[in-house]
Amino acid sequence: DTGVSQDPRHKITKRGQNVTFRCDPISEHNRLYWYRQTLGQGPEFLTYFQNEAQLEKSRLLSDRFSAERPKGSFSTLEIQRTEQGDSAMYLCASSPSFGSYEQYFGPGTRLTVT
Amino acid sequence: AQTVTQSQPEMSVQEAETVTLSCTYDTSESDYYLFWYKQPPSRQMILVIRQEAYKQQNATENRFSVNFQKAAKSFSLKISDSQLGDAAMYFCAYRSLMDSNYQLIWGAGTKLIIKP
Repeated sequence: DTGVSQDPRHKITKRGQNVTFRCDPISEHNRLYWYRQTLGQGPEFLTYFQNEAQLEKSRLLSDRFSAERPKGSFSTLEIQRTEQGDSAMYLCASSPSFGSYEQYFGPGTRLTVT
Repeated sequence: AQTVTQSQPEMSVQEAETVTLSCTYDTSESDYYLFWYKQPPSRQMILVIRQEAYKQQNATENRFSVNFQKAAKSFSLKISDSQLGDAAMYFCAYRSLMDSNYQLIWGAGTKLIIKP
């Protein structure tokens, strides 16, 4: 296993368009997290899955954002009607459900909304 | 709510010397985890070191060590024998043991520059 992967790595879109990002966690990890990171800041928590269940959503996650994790494997994060303020790096992380508390991060998807 | 503060936006150090990055946090909890993560330019976030709050002994990982002062709510990272590959953004993060979502709460980061 090569770690957490994210696709695409970069996305440029026009304001008002919808975008979808994908995250493939480490295969045996059943916890999956999405974070958003803007330039010069630390990541901000967006949402969390345990297996296929979305257990927590940040207040940052407006109704234009939706995330899924069908079958508890990969996850998608969709942003509808993108706004310039959505421009950021979107990070995905995964961790096992017991033992280590370390979250393993993917390389991120950089979104630019023009 | 917990907060994490990194007061040094940027630090620089000569190669082979020692540098200390500062982190303070605010919490009313007694049990938690603290982490230092490294984010090299255009590369992914990786864990540098972890400290459990119930442990009095400071964590060490090779050239990286922490000074954990629980009463002062301080968690600094010391990098010894700095190498060019240590150049990165360093983030301090807090994880509550009370929150069931296990999210990390992050500081704003410190950019570490290594001078050759």
